[in-house]
Order: sequence, then C-alpha cells, then structure tokens
Amino acid sequence: ILNVEQSPQSLHVQEGDSTNFTCSFPSSNFYALHWYRWETAKSPEALFVMTLNGDEKKKGRISATLNTKEGYSYLYIKGSQPEDSATYLCAFKTSYDKVIFGPGTSLSVIP
Amino acid sequence: ETGVTQTPRHLVMGMTNKKSLKCEQHLGHNAMYWYKQSAKKPLELMFVYSLEERVENNSVPSRFSPECPNSSHLFLHLHTLQPEDSALYLCASSQDNAYAVNEQFFGPGTRLTVL
Repeated sequence: ILNVEQSPQSLHVQEGDSTNFTCSFPSSNFYALHWYRWETAKSPEALFVMTLNGDEKKKGRISATLNTKEGYSYLYIKGSQPEDSATYLCAFKTSYDKVIFGPGTSLSVIP
Repeated sequence: ETGVTQTPRHLVMGMTNKKSLKCEQHLGHNAMYWYKQSAKKPLELMFVYSLEERVENNSVPSRFSPECPNSSHLFLHLHTLQPEDSALYLCASSQDNAYAVNEQFFGPGTRLTVL
C-alpha cells in the first residue's frame, strides 16, 4: 500500500516567523511530487511540480526541496504572513500514473 | 468564464435519488479528474480521463459513474448512494502528455450530503 505522510498535522506560527514542513513518500516508482496550497472555501492551488532528485523550487517567500532517494520533500515559508494560512498538500505521482495525496499540514499564521 | 467550474456547489440527496455533478474547464486541457475529500481523510483520486478516455479507476463503487463527453466537460453520475458517500467532490484538469508532469487546476468542489 502506497502511503504519503505529512508532518506536522497542524502548525501555528507568529507573523514573521519562518517555518517548514515535510512530505514523506515511497522512494520507489517515483515520477513526480506536487505541492498544493488549499485555503478555506477556495480550490487547491498548485505551488510546485518537482521531478528531479535535488530539485529546488521557489515562488516568492515559499520554496521546496526534493530528495527522491530517501523519499521526502520539504516546504519552507520565509517570514510567514496571515495570508499564508492554509492547508498545504503534497501529492506523489508514481511511474505507473497513480496519484496519492498526503493528509496535509494545516498552517495558521497569527498576526 | 475561466478556470474550472463545478455545479452544483451544494447537493443534498436521499439514498434512492439519482443526481449528477458537472465539471467544466475553460483552460484547453486534455485531462480531467474526480477526487473525493471525506472528513479527516486525504484527497482520494476516483477517476482520470485523458483525451476523453478513462485511464484510471481507483476501485470506486459502481454507484459512481463518470462520463466525459468531450475534453471540456466531466460528469459524475450518482445513484443509490450511502450516507458515507457524503463528502466534498473536487474536479481538476491538467495538460497531459507523455513528457511532462503538469500541475492540476481544481474546481471549487461540490459539497454532497446523502441522507
């Protein structure tokens, strides 16, 4: 059974703090890893698509790294703002087209 | 209208009803997806259509029946559902090809309650 885990389950940080969370996935049959941000009452929105071991992607204050050999990805947010409050989902895509989402990390940024 | 739209946004139905969920994408994508989000569970992929052909069916009960008449529209036909089928149903689309892994664009979802 393929399993994607995310930690922590939830996180509360003060505005201006930097934070990071983890997505763990099987290291075999890797094809791609997606990160999504899902704000309450909105649709999930893609942040990054990562395919290569050692990939680093950045969008503004948010960045992500990928280690396919050990099966993890980190998402970093620098200087968190209240508008960063959301659930962050990772999704693992296998080489045989299966897509498995993690349970998400719920981030609350306190002003 | 742009992006991915879903109707209805909310649906309450009895176990003997038949209803359909509709998804439409205006992004020119060629792949569409149905997901289910149950309370306190991860998003579950239900069906994938690529170029209007079903390519993934994750052992979904037959009371859920997808239909993809063209690359812009996707339906999920529902009949004799159970209360445990109450969930948020999300539609997504992407540009699918053999050489690239592209992000998915999600609709706002249909909140389904089965009484």
